[in-house]
Amino acid sequence: DAGITQSPRHKVTETGTPVTLRCHQTENHRYMYWYRQDPGHGLRLIHYSYGVKDTDKGEVSDGYSVSRSKTEDFLLTLESATSSQTSVYFCAISESQGLGTEAFFGQGTRLTVV
Amino acid sequence: AQKITQTQPGMFVQEKEAVTLDCTYDTSDPSYGLFWYKQPSSGEMIFLIYQGSYDQQNATEGRYSLNFQKARKSANLVISASQLGDSAMYFCAMSSLIQTGANNLFFGTGTRLTVIP
Repeated sequence: DAGITQSPRHKVTETGTPVTLRCHQTENHRYMYWYRQDPGHGLRLIHYSYGVKDTDKGEVSDGYSVSRSKTEDFLLTLESATSSQTSVYFCAISESQGLGTEAFFGQGTRLTVV
Repeated sequence: AQKITQTQPGMFVQEKEAVTLDCTYDTSDPSYGLFWYKQPSSGEMIFLIYQGSYDQQNATEGRYSLNFQKARKSANLVISASQLGDSAMYFCAMSSLIQTGANNLFFGTGTRLTVIP
């Protein structure tokens, strides 16, 4: 299994508070991604990184920011959590570019905003 | 814009029988990739199979095969000899290269497969 660790695995937070989710990899893969999974939507890309300090937005990036200061860590921050951000968040990594490059997923983080 | 459609919210199959999970897609990209992932109740996403848009032959991985019909824009997953452990949610996804070389995966809404003993 690819070495991807997400933390925390579960979190309950209050509306308006900042939240940071961490994705840590031991594979030295260049590309890292944050997805959210919601019923009826499958997984949708929030942000991705193509190198240290190189990040860009995905299709559902509003209300989220990311940072990647080291190859192995990719942080997702909800600056002011809202109930609409209650979701399961997945981190993924891939080694190289190319359409057939397999993405390896972390175990997911279940976030509940109350 | 890329779109993946899975029209079967739930499917049932008898153990040891074959089952086909439907997936259709829409894209204007000349090149793309198609994936199937399995998500068991424990929640992790498990890669099953990949098909490139220019691959001439349908992909196979053990009991999994991908029935790729490019003209119909379909990429159905066939699971042969179903096992109880196949009960899970199955997602079809399409890859699209982002300018930086990263690879965005567009997912369908999934099909929940239940294998009956």
